[in-house]
Amino acid sequence: DVKVTQSSRYLVKRTGEKVFLECVQDMDHENMFWYRQDPGLGLRLIYFSYDVKMKEKGDIPEGYSVSREKKERFSLILESASTNQTSMYLCASSSRDRRGYTFGSGTRLTVV
Amino acid sequence: AQSVTQLDSHVSVSEGTPVLLRCNYSSSYSPSLFWYVQHPNKGLQLLLKYTSAATLVKGINGFEAEFKKSETSFHLTKPSAHMSDAAEYFCVVSSQGGKLIFGQGTELSVKP
Repeated sequence: DVKVTQSSRYLVKRTGEKVFLECVQDMDHENMFWYRQDPGLGLRLIYFSYDVKMKEKGDIPEGYSVSREKKERFSLILESASTNQTSMYLCASSSRDRRGYTFGSGTRLTVV
Repeated sequence: AQSVTQLDSHVSVSEGTPVLLRCNYSSSYSPSLFWYVQHPNKGLQLLLKYTSAATLVKGINGFEAEFKKSETSFHLTKPSAHMSDAAEYFCVVSSQGGKLIFGQGTELSVKP
């Protein structure tokens, strides 16, 4: 069963901490994405990557960075966590032809 | 640029009655369109997708959607609601670059 795995289901971090959210896919997909989900706003794209070491900003990249050192792994980094980054974070991947997208189960991050 | 608007933030129906979730899109080219469902504390599940083949698309669990280019709409319907259909539904358009752009979501409630 193909899947996208997010390392943590729930996380609680303190303001100012550096936070790493990890995402691993086993489908050999070229494309990977990070979204945040907030009530009434749907999912908004933070960053995406078309290939190893490639990254592009999405719609709301401020306060975030990403790393893609290996094809299967795409990490989202909060350099200095703030309370307004409390949210549900969803990782997704797709093949280059974009025929199918697979989402992880999400990480609910609370910044206190 | 592509965008998608879900016209209702919340829809409430009685069990056994029809479901209509409305979605309008904006795209400068022929888009790929999707409907995803998210049950409480679950990940996103693909219901159906339109990729320029038949305009009436059938999905899982009895859902279907009709692509109407003249109206720039992609409404989701089901003839008879079931209690298990209660969830949040997202209309999604795929950009030329392969990014998924989400609507704000529609929460469907089903009353017994």
